[in-house]
Order: sequence, then C-alpha cells, then structure tokens
Amino acid sequence: AQSVTQPDIHITVSEGASLELRCNYSYGATPYLFWYVQSPGQGLQLLLKYFSGDTLVQGIKGFEAEFKRSQSSFNLRKPSVHWSDAAEYFCAVGVAGGFKTIFGAGTRLFVKA
Amino acid sequence: SQTIHQWPATLVQPVGSPLSLECTVEGTSNPNLYWYRQAAGRGLQLLFYSVGIGQISSEVPQNLSASRPQDRQFILSSKKLLLSDSGFYLCAGRDIRAGELFFGEGSRLTVL
Repeated sequence: AQSVTQPDIHITVSEGASLELRCNYSYGATPYLFWYVQSPGQGLQLLLKYFSGDTLVQGIKGFEAEFKRSQSSFNLRKPSVHWSDAAEYFCAVGVAGGFKTIFGAGTRLFVKA
Repeated sequence: SQTIHQWPATLVQPVGSPLSLECTVEGTSNPNLYWYRQAAGRGLQLLFYSVGIGQISSEVPQNLSASRPQDRQFILSSKKLLLSDSGFYLCAGRDIRAGELFFGEGSRLTVL
C-alpha cells in the first residue's frame, strides 16, 4: 500500500539556521512528489513538486527538495529559516498517475528568535 | 489561476443535525475534485473524489456523502452528524493536465 512517512512531528529551529524536513514514501511505481505548507486554520499551498528529471527541485519561498530513489526519500531544505516559515509542512505522493494524492501526517515547524 | 471558494468557514452543529459544506472552483474546467478531512497530527484523509458531474467515489465508509451537481461545484453532506465528524474539512481541485492539488481555505466543523 502507498504511504508517506514524516518522522518528525515537530521541529524547532532558530531564525537564520538551516532546515531539513524528512519525508519517506512507499510506492511501487515512479511517484509524483510534493511538499505543501499550511498556516494555522488555512488551506494548503504548494511549495514544490517533482515529476521527473533533475532530482533537485526548487520551490517558492527559497525551499528546495531532493528526490533520492534509492532511499525513497524527498527531503525538504532551506538554507536560512525566517520567522514567517513557522507553519505545518506536508509531504505528499501522487499515485495512479497523479490522480490521487496521499499525504504524510505533517511536521510542524517552530522558529525561535 | 485556479481558485477554490469554500464555505462556511466555521460551523458548530449539534449531534444528529444535518450538514452541508460547499465549494466552487474558478479558473479551470472539468477539474478533479476532492474532499479531505484533517485531524490534528494525522495528516489529510481523503474522503471523496469526483472526476465529473454526478460521479462520486468514496474512499472511507462513513455517514458522510458527496455530490457534484455542476462541473465546478462540490458538496459534502450528512443527514445526521456524529461527534466523530468534528474536524477541518478541505476541498481541493486538480486540473487534469497537472499533478498538484489546489485547496480551499477549509471549513472547521465542531459537533457538540
């Protein structure tokens, strides 16, 4: 069965520090991979996506993610975190040709001054 | 760009009462539409999806139902709410030429 695992329920980083959020997926075919961000009480916004090609993808707000097929991972990174990055982050995998999207449980990011 | 309008934003309902959440889509035609429920710490659970008018598929058996009376309208309903129906409900769409979802702002349902 397809699944997405985000092993960290919450992470706290200092403003200006680097960030890496982990994501592992389970899917037999080539996946479509996504990272979304959600501010409290709001909908989700797409940060970046990977369908094929270059395994390092750039997204909005200075985020990037790297697809590693051998590790079934798609970790999200940002070199310098800003206070406005505090939110919940969801990794997701598109299956059935992208028709269905399966989400991880999310990682809540806290940023301290 | 695609936009989803979802309402009401907040709803407090007694157990056993009916429910109707609605969303409408702008900026695309014939989208795939989805209803998700979000519980704290549990990610998003897909409830229903639709590939066209009148076509509804259910992912999780429950006392909720969905309908798609028009191409860009998607409705989530219940005849009798349970306490366990409380949660944050998100309507999402997908342009059939793209892979990613776009989301509404969500509806917070509290069943008392």
